[in-house]
Amino acid sequence: TQLLEQSPQFLSIQEGENLTVYCNSSSVFSSLQWYRQEPGEGPVLLVTVVTGGEVKKLKRLTFQFGDARKDSSLHITAAQTGDTGLYLCAGEGTYKYIFGTGTRLKVLA
Amino acid sequence: DAGVIQSPRHEVTEMGQEVTLRCKLISGHNSLFWYRQTMMRGLELLIYFNNNVPIDDSGMPEDRFSAKMPNASFSTLKIQPSEPRDSAVYFCASSFSTGGQRQYFGPGTRLTVL
Repeated sequence: TQLLEQSPQFLSIQEGENLTVYCNSSSVFSSLQWYRQEPGEGPVLLVTVVTGGEVKKLKRLTFQFGDARKDSSLHITAAQTGDTGLYLCAGEGTYKYIFGTGTRLKVLA
Repeated sequence: DAGVIQSPRHEVTEMGQEVTLRCKLISGHNSLFWYRQTMMRGLELLIYFNNNVPIDDSGMPEDRFSAKMPNASFSTLKIQPSEPRDSAVYFCASSFSTGGQRQYFGPGTRLTVL
């Protein structure tokens, strides 16, 4: 069974701070996606990484796919209150994506 | 584009009652996923369809759960009889195909079984 563990589970930081969340598995994935989910809404795709070692940037968010395609990280620079939400990674399995356990981020003003 | 539409947004029912959740896919998408989200278990895939055909229902908890896709744009998830442990937020998502594609999630149905 393919599992994706995310850490930390919860994170509360002050506006302006930097943070990194992690997504780890013992399985290899052909691609990995990151989603953000806000209260009362469904997850929204932020990025898809495909190649081992790939780095993608989305404004203040930097996503990296591990060289072995088993893990990924999301780094946020100068967090803002609008970054608050649940961050989910999802690894591409056979015909479907397997979602991680999630990191719940709260950015305080 | 209206996005994925789910109804109802909230459902409160009593144990033993039948519950039907509805989902309308984005026009042109041919894959449909039903998920359940709880604090304890996170986001779990229940079942997914490709071109109206159920491909993998291994995530369906038990026989009380059933899902149908009567046409290319609509799906239902039925729970009969419902139990308190079924309380969760149920999402459907659609995409152009099953592998490696972006999934577009609906707003979810929050189900409470008393």
